Amino acid sequence: TAGITQAPTSQILAAGRSMTLRCTQDMRHNAMYWYRQDLGLGLRLIHYSNTAGTTGKGEVPDGYSVSRANTDDFPLTLASAVPSQTSVYFCASSDREGYEQFFGPGTRLTVL
Amino acid sequence: GQNIDQPTEMTATEGAIVQINCTYQTSGFNGLFWYQQHAGEAPTFLSYNVLDGLEEKGRFSSFLSRSKGYSYLLLKELQMKDSASYLCAVMDSNYQLIWGAGTKLIIKP
Repeated sequence: TAGITQAPTSQILAAGRSMTLRCTQDMRHNAMYWYRQDLGLGLRLIHYSNTAGTTGKGEVPDGYSVSRANTDDFPLTLASAVPSQTSVYFCASSDREGYEQFFGPGTRLTVL
Repeated sequence: GQNIDQPTEMTATEGAIVQINCTYQTSGFNGLFWYQQHAGEAPTFLSYNVLDGLEEKGRFSSFLSRSKGYSYLLLKELQMKDSASYLCAVMDSNYQLIWGAGTKLIIKP
């Protein structure tokens, strides 16, 4: 069982370009989450989805968008990247909100 | 505002015991989680407390006092592989996790 996969593993992106970070889970979990992790700061929630077809904004949603067309996939899009979006991005899922979250391996993004 | 505090870094000796503290102030409380994160890897779940008291799981135990807004993670019989960051997170009234910055634990032989 793969659990949660993320792609790409790492990426260097020019400022102003767009990019989609992919996240797929095979656990049939209802809830999915996108976090960013920066040195010295805790994980910060960007967007979440409690079930397929619904999404919500987290603590730091500006500059990011998500969609949840089905249970398994939860892509995160940066429409026009800026250097402050340089970070490690983790996708996570849980059976439902309030339960233990399982994390993907992360995507290390550098915006120059 | 919402706040989770834990020490930035701790050092302990192999075979010893270490306690990592976490204090929190959040809008609502639906449980406290501890995660382990090795360098360059994803966080992995360690423990969950929603009621006051101690939860024991092998070498790891977690304690919660809701009235004091306080938790600790106790690691016994430390091994070199326990060198990692330990993340404290509180689930708020919206069932979202609020994360501390993590405690980097260094184990020395």
